[in-house]
Amino acid sequence: QVQLVESGGGVFQPGGPLRLSCAASGFTFSDYAMHWVRQAPGKGLEWVAVISYDGGNKYYGDSVKGRFTISRDKSKNTLYLQMNSLRVEDTAVYYCARGNGLGYFYMDVWGKGSTVTVSS
Amino acid sequence: ENVLTQSPGILSLSPGERATLSCRASQSVTRNYLAWYQQRPGQAPRLLIYGASSRATGIPDRFSGSGSGTDFTLIISRLEPEDFAVYYCHQYDTSPCSFGQGTKLDIK
Repeated sequence: QVQLVESGGGVFQPGGPLRLSCAASGFTFSDYAMHWVRQAPGKGLEWVAVISYDGGNKYYGDSVKGRFTISRDKSKNTLYLQMNSLRVEDTAVYYCARGNGLGYFYMDVWGKGSTVTVSS
Repeated sequence: ENVLTQSPGILSLSPGERATLSCRASQSVTRNYLAWYQQRPGQAPRLLIYGASSRATGIPDRFSGSGSGTDFTLIISRLEPEDFAVYYCHQYDTSPCSFGQGTKLDIK
């Protein structure tokens, strides 16, 4: 079945780096755009980044631009989010989601999320 | 950035009633690239509607979406117990993508 599984979360110090991974299965990974979306504790959804099906186009939310980098590895069917210069306000559950359709893609399949806590 | 404002923030209804949720955009969503998601407590969001009015696979027909331009609506015709959750709209027409702040549907 179609599945996305995030990993790499935990507790991290402010200013440090972190890389999240999202393993995709059950569909042709290289046919779809992919998103990262986050949700701070008790808050709503915040879009983080999207990457096109071939990795050629990447777009970011204003709060992470210049600090986070989205990438993908076709051979491993895996999406990544490299997070640098971590801030306390980056604390959230991070979801990866498959992008579908046109435009900047709606999200038709979601992972269960990976929790990132940034604290000293 | 296209800011989405959802109303009401909290909607208290009883099972069997009709729910009407609103999503207003600060700029026109010119291609109707507007989606709705449901999020139950402790779960990931689930796609309900895309393209403003197309139901996602497996979504019951009591869920319907409508609207264009800056005003969009999600209607749940007859509430079931499992429908009490938080609902988000999402525009994917322009970058950066954006979500509304959510409407919490509460059991009255």
